[in-house]
Amino acid sequence: DIQLTQSPSFLSASVGDRVTITCRASQGISSYLAWYQQKPGKAPKLLIYAASTLQSGVPSRFSGSGSGTEFTLTISSLQPEDFATYYCQQLNSYPRTFGPGTKVDIK
Amino acid sequence: EVQLVESGGGLVKPGGSLRLSCAASGFTFSSYSMNWVRQAPGKGLEWVSSISSSSSYIYYADSVKGRFTISRDNAKNSLYLQMNSLRAEDTAVYYCARAGSYWGSWYFDLWGRGTLVTVSS
Repeated sequence: DIQLTQSPSFLSASVGDRVTITCRASQGISSYLAWYQQKPGKAPKLLIYAASTLQSGVPSRFSGSGSGTEFTLTISSLQPEDFATYYCQQLNSYPRTFGPGTKVDIK
Repeated sequence: EVQLVESGGGLVKPGGSLRLSCAASGFTFSSYSMNWVRQAPGKGLEWVSSISSSSSYIYYADSVKGRFTISRDNAKNSLYLQMNSLRAEDTAVYYCARAGSYWGSWYFDLWGRGTLVTVSS
């Protein structure tokens, strides 16, 4: 099974900050990686798929990059509504594993 | 409106059974693979199971294999998860999620609000 790790697990940032979250896969997954945002009590929301493709309706301050085993999610200028937990997911093979999550909190 | 609505959660004793349902609307359900994802209280997301559009391909997480059964009824626009031999560690919010694809890349682009399953004596 492919394992995903995320760093950091917790991030404290201010509105306007540039934020980068890293997701690493235990083996190569090409570009078959998605990023989700989840707010407390809500379902996850798709942000990025195919490592770097922005889902329709998602603000352009979100971007993704990477391939193989290392991927990043970047928020160029953090907004109040971006405080949430972010998960990566690999869709290269089954099981469709998720990373452990990165919680972005207000500094 | 394009949406997924889960139902069937509740309190069940260890060893018991429960059947979750997910009603789809606003899109051509029969064209999409579907998934169940769960989230234990205060924990991260865990993929549970996937089923292809025609039910030809089915996959399970090792943690539920042999106990859970995924199925769908395209005529009723519905997805199901039959859960048997439930354990305390199955306690979670269960989400159904649609699998979209684009040029071979997959993603879960539509999620329901979830239904809570609590396994406790």
